[in-house]
Amino acid sequence: GESVGLHLPTLSVQEGDNSIINCAYSNSASDYFIWYKQESGKGPQFIIDIRSNMDKRQGQRVTVLLNKTVKHLSLQIAATQPGDSAVYFCAEAANFGNEKLTFGTGTRLTIIP
Amino acid sequence: DTGVSQDPRHKITKRGQNVTFRCDPISEHNRLYWYRQTLGQGPEFLTYFQNEAQLEKSRLLSDRFSAERPKGSFSTLEIQRTEQGDSAMYLCASSETYGGRNEKLFFGSGTQLSVL
Repeated sequence: GESVGLHLPTLSVQEGDNSIINCAYSNSASDYFIWYKQESGKGPQFIIDIRSNMDKRQGQRVTVLLNKTVKHLSLQIAATQPGDSAVYFCAEAANFGNEKLTFGTGTRLTIIP
Repeated sequence: DTGVSQDPRHKITKRGQNVTFRCDPISEHNRLYWYRQTLGQGPEFLTYFQNEAQLEKSRLLSDRFSAERPKGSFSTLEIQRTEQGDSAMYLCASSETYGGRNEKLFFGSGTQLSVL
């Protein structure tokens, strides 16, 4: 079946540096993509989303890039802080509706003080 | 607290017992979702409601699972005759539709189920 996956299961970054988390997707029908952050013992927290008619979207300290040609999604976090340590998931949905999100396995980001 | 609320946070039960979880969505949200998450994995879709109507169910939702949202507000997820494989975090999320488009999902902190 088609799935969403992540290239790196773990990532350690020095505090203050930038981090990039990558995600590959294989469902060509997907047109809506979301990044979630999940801290231990909590539910996923929305970070940023992007629709397929865009290739870049910026938020506060975060940027999502979408490359539809190679079906690749990335999350860039600028000037990382200890509070950024968490597991990050990409998720996808089709038909501009997100009733049914398909999540990847997740990447654990650790910020080194 | 105006976020999605789930109760209980933790549930330990013996195999074969029935369990019920509750979710209170954000008050103005008309859509409510249930997801299941096992250790080290991303959440998996189970089912969702628009108001009181259950619109889609995943094949993961066996006949031992039932979800309700009787008044279009809170929802319950019941698992009958629990099995050890049911051990997981059960996440609830809600969203609103705006201009015909479904807005982003807000998740609760989940109910962690352990079946012994």
